[in-house]
Amino acid sequence: QQPVQSPQAMILREGEDAVINCSSSKALYSVHWYRQKHGEAPVFLMILLKGGEQKGHDKISASFNEKKQQSSLYLTASQLSYSGTYFCGTEDTGNQFYFGTGTSLTVIP
Amino acid sequence: KAGVTQTPRYLIKTRGQQVTLSCSPISGHRSVSWYQQTPGQGLQFLFEYFSETQRNKGNFPGRFSGRQFSNSRSEMNVSTLELGDSALYLCASSSGQTYGTQYFGPGTRLLVL
Repeated sequence: QQPVQSPQAMILREGEDAVINCSSSKALYSVHWYRQKHGEAPVFLMILLKGGEQKGHDKISASFNEKKQQSSLYLTASQLSYSGTYFCGTEDTGNQFYFGTGTSLTVIP
Repeated sequence: KAGVTQTPRYLIKTRGQQVTLSCSPISGHRSVSWYQQTPGQGLQFLFEYFSETQRNKGNFPGRFSGRQFSNSRSEMNVSTLELGDSALYLCASSSGQTYGTQYFGPGTRLLVL
């Protein structure tokens, strides 16, 4: 039931764009995205509810395709501060919540 | 508002002992979830409490248990500790009846020797 994220890890240069994918085998009610920096607790980025919406703020946005049970996180013009591990969290229609496998992102100058 | 607090922050125990971890959610939040984080397994859901009732439970053995008090504070207990229980234990609080935004505490790092 744990959603699978891809890629597992990536390295970007400042200013480059990135896409992180999250895929579940279960019907989803919502998808959450979190970022965790080394040695810190995860920090909430955004929630997407079923309905195929896309949300975003600043240069980070996400989409949710409930039919495919997939979500993607889009990072535009990456900054050094974007480095960390990104987790999706999925709430299925049975009210179960699981974090994804994680994607490690390193942004270099 | 004060954030989520967890105590203790660090703990060293030996195999066979038991441990109790505490989590105080953000004021007004009624849902508390517990997670285990290890380098190999990532973030694993333990259980979630809402209004003193366990609402959801992950796939962990019965040695892992929890409870929530009327003031929404929650405790997690692990009995008969094993080496593999060494991990960062995170709790997160949220306000609503579904999984809304979860605010994480700093975690309790448990080392089992």
